[in-house]
Amino acid sequence: EAQVTQNPRYLITVTGKKLTVTCSQNMNHEYMSWYRQDPGLGLRQIYYSMNVEVTDKGDVPEGYKVSRKEKRNFPLILESPSPNQTSLYFCASSSKAGSYNSPLHFGNGTRLTVT
Amino acid sequence: KQEVTQIPAALSVPEGENLVLNCSFTDSAIYNLQWFRQDPGKGLTSLLLIQSSQREQTSGRLNASLDKSSGRSTLYIAASQPGDSATYLCAVDSDSNYQLIWGAGTKLIIKP
Repeated sequence: EAQVTQNPRYLITVTGKKLTVTCSQNMNHEYMSWYRQDPGLGLRQIYYSMNVEVTDKGDVPEGYKVSRKEKRNFPLILESPSPNQTSLYFCASSSKAGSYNSPLHFGNGTRLTVT
Repeated sequence: KQEVTQIPAALSVPEGENLVLNCSFTDSAIYNLQWFRQDPGKGLTSLLLIQSSQREQTSGRLNASLDKSSGRSTLYIAASQPGDSATYLCAVDSDSNYQLIWGAGTKLIIKP
């Protein structure tokens, strides 16, 4: 089954404790992206990747890191999480860089709480 | 700068009705527009993607139209069912960096 898999689904952590949210897709998609979703602010892009070893900042990259060493994986790293990073996070992927005739496929989300 | 607006923010209708959700955007220079559905606590599911050269797309009971000149798209849902209850979001791809600009969504409730 074609899918985008995020782990974990829920995560509660404390300020400053490094964490990684994993994202994997099995569709051989070139394009992958991370979003956060907050009430009243909608979906905002954190980072995206057009292909292996190619990453770029989205609208809200501060406090986050990503890497794209393999085509299927695009982990999101919070080196020193803070309470304002409490949010619902989504990973998404697409062929043809998410444009033209290829829709975005989303993971089921990771709800992160930083205390 | 591209802005995407969805009105209304919430809509409640009886089962069986046909309904229209609206999405407007400020810059007509777009590559495509996508409609998504989001169920509570879940990820987004792509419903329809309309390329800039297209006027509409259909999938089952859903029909999405695009009028670039007026900066508007509509999502038409025929014969609504309680299972259609969800939040519907539209997103516009308007630059070569493939960064989607998102609307805030319309929360739809279909009453049995």
